[in-house]
Amino acid sequence: AQKITQTQPGMFVQEKEAVTLDCTYDTSDQSYGLFWYKQPSSGEMIFLIYQGSYDEQNATEGRYSLNFQKARKSANLVISASQLGDSAMYFCAAGGSKAAGNKLTFGGGTRVLVKP
Amino acid sequence: GAVVSQHPSRVICKSGTSVKIECRSLDFQATTMFWYRQFPKKSLMLMATSNEGSKATYEQGVEKDKFLINHASLTLSTLTVTSAHPEDSSFYICSAQDPSGSPQDTQYFGPGTRLTVL
Repeated sequence: AQKITQTQPGMFVQEKEAVTLDCTYDTSDQSYGLFWYKQPSSGEMIFLIYQGSYDEQNATEGRYSLNFQKARKSANLVISASQLGDSAMYFCAAGGSKAAGNKLTFGGGTRVLVKP
Repeated sequence: GAVVSQHPSRVICKSGTSVKIECRSLDFQATTMFWYRQFPKKSLMLMATSNEGSKATYEQGVEKDKFLINHASLTLSTLTVTSAHPEDSSFYICSAQDPSGSPQDTQYFGPGTRLTVL
């Protein structure tokens, strides 16, 4: 079983500044993936970034980077140069284990509001 | 690539009727699709895993007779909410895994269906 914890229910960030969204996970799987999704008010879930448990380098995808600290079981998302369009809910998820049926377990989410 | 569509986007129905929601992978074949339910300001709750050509696997507490899932082809899974009641009102969202995509385990989500049962 996996558990994902996002301790920040909501955050304000000034436009053009960076913001870090916290995510810690608990899993007994040896191999797993960590994902971040963005959910704007329209409801769609947009895939942002992925980190494999065996990847030694932190994943980056444009303005998104994942600060992966395996020993601490944390996978924080960093959004650089925030834009107004970044205002949304952000969900951290873990999964990808074929033994677990490739299911994803989601955290409770963090709402980000970018201020102009 | 990796586009998932969902139809309808919004449906309002009377109590006691059945509602079918379609989830399609548009540019890839998905052997596995997932159905989630999301309550307002809450996270996604996995309802079931849909595998092409076999019966769906339901999560604990999800009524399989209430939420019928059919994965008839590699690009289509349907969720039918049978005899819907007001407590079934929710946001339903599907996802599909692209086995040939990178990263391989990524789930791509449809835009969701907002169901309101009167």
